[in-house]
Amino acid sequence: DAGVIQSPRHEVTEMGQEVTLRCKPISGHDYLFWYRQTMMRGLELLIYFNNNVPIDDSGMPEDRFSAKMPNASFSTLKIQPSEPRDSAVYFCATGSKGGLGEQFFGPGTRLTVL
Amino acid sequence: GQSLEQPSEVTAVEGAIVQINCTYQTSGFYGLSWYQQHDGGAPTFLSYNALDGLEETGRFSSFLSRSDSYGYLLLQELQMKDSASYFCAVRTPDDKIIFGKGTRLHILP
Repeated sequence: DAGVIQSPRHEVTEMGQEVTLRCKPISGHDYLFWYRQTMMRGLELLIYFNNNVPIDDSGMPEDRFSAKMPNASFSTLKIQPSEPRDSAVYFCATGSKGGLGEQFFGPGTRLTVL
Repeated sequence: GQSLEQPSEVTAVEGAIVQINCTYQTSGFYGLSWYQQHDGGAPTFLSYNALDGLEETGRFSSFLSRSDSYGYLLLQELQMKDSASYFCAVRTPDDKIIFGKGTRLHILP
């Protein structure tokens, strides 16, 4: 298995632009998590899905952020419009035990908003 | 509120043993997980304690005591490659996943 796949790996954009981050989970994993990591705030859970249904989105910073999981093989995290304070590494992780134990993290997307 | 507390940094000597503590203030949870993250990399899973007691995986062990609201990760025979950040994490009964702020482990030769 190729593991969790995220794209793009790096994204540089200007303030106000729309950003879309993509994630392909490990086949058979029914939980998918989106995290954001910065030096100041550490690793923060933004939202997670179970069987494509959002379970907890209380970590989504504001309405500029949205996440979708249209099927078991694909998820997106969208920021519109982007702001410099959104600069961070965004990780997608998947698991099969509901966060009870092992989550497999993707390599992350490093986002820089100028 | 619900939170996990870890020391921000720990320093140890190569070949030694180090313990990284994690204390929590939540009203119940479903087990305690530990992750390792090297600089520039993604977190990788180390261990999971569903029940009280000690879980051992090679040089790494993890312990949980629900009654004491306390857990720890024990790393033995430290190697330079163990220099990384270590995170504890729980899932709460109201379906939230909480990570600690992480402990940066420095290993001296």
